[in-house]
Amino acid sequence: AQSVTQLDSHVSVSEGTPVLLRCNYSSSYSPSLFWYVQHPNKGLQLLLKYTSAATLVKGINGFEAEFKKSETSFHLTKPSAHMSDAAEYFCVVSEIKAGNMRTFGGGTRLMVKP
Amino acid sequence: EAEVAQSPRYKITEKSQAVAFWCDPISGHATLYWYRQILGQGPELLVQFQDESVVDDSQLPKDRFSAERLKGVDSTLKIQPAELGDSAMYLCASSPRDSQKETQYFGPGTRLLVL
Repeated sequence: AQSVTQLDSHVSVSEGTPVLLRCNYSSSYSPSLFWYVQHPNKGLQLLLKYTSAATLVKGINGFEAEFKKSETSFHLTKPSAHMSDAAEYFCVVSEIKAGNMRTFGGGTRLMVKP
Repeated sequence: EAEVAQSPRYKITEKSQAVAFWCDPISGHATLYWYRQILGQGPELLVQFQDESVVDDSQLPKDRFSAERLKGVDSTLKIQPAELGDSAMYLCASSPRDSQKETQYFGPGTRLLVL
């Protein structure tokens, strides 16, 4: 069965410093992996996705993530945090064996200090 | 840019009352999803439609929840009777097709508070 673990429920960084949001997954087949961002009282917006092409995926707003099969990880990074990055971030896994169903991680709340 | 529309954005109701949420997916998207997101958690799938047919409703509490997509376009999710534990954000999403690799596009959600 597929599952996703976001290792930190809260991450706090200073503006201009790097961001690292950690995600580990469990999948019995070749998964697709997604990162979404959710601002307060808003729906989820796709940041980036991995679908078995290049393992380093670039997304919107300067975010990127690297698929590491040996470590079953898909960590989200950004070189320099901006105040507008403060939000909830969700890592999501999907695989054909699970009927393409998405399994969401519990979320990581990113706080950005001025 | 096309978006998924949902209404109402906020709903307050008393327990035992009936509530209904509406979703209009992006035009041309065959697959529609309803998710429930409890505060502090990730979304969980309630029901998935492919055109007008239900593909997966295994997590839908069928004693009180119902969902329909009669013409394969917009969709309604109903709760009757509402319970205190139903307080959550209800998210609708759509995608062009049912695929492991396909992006799901989310609406702004309906926040439900049951008193």
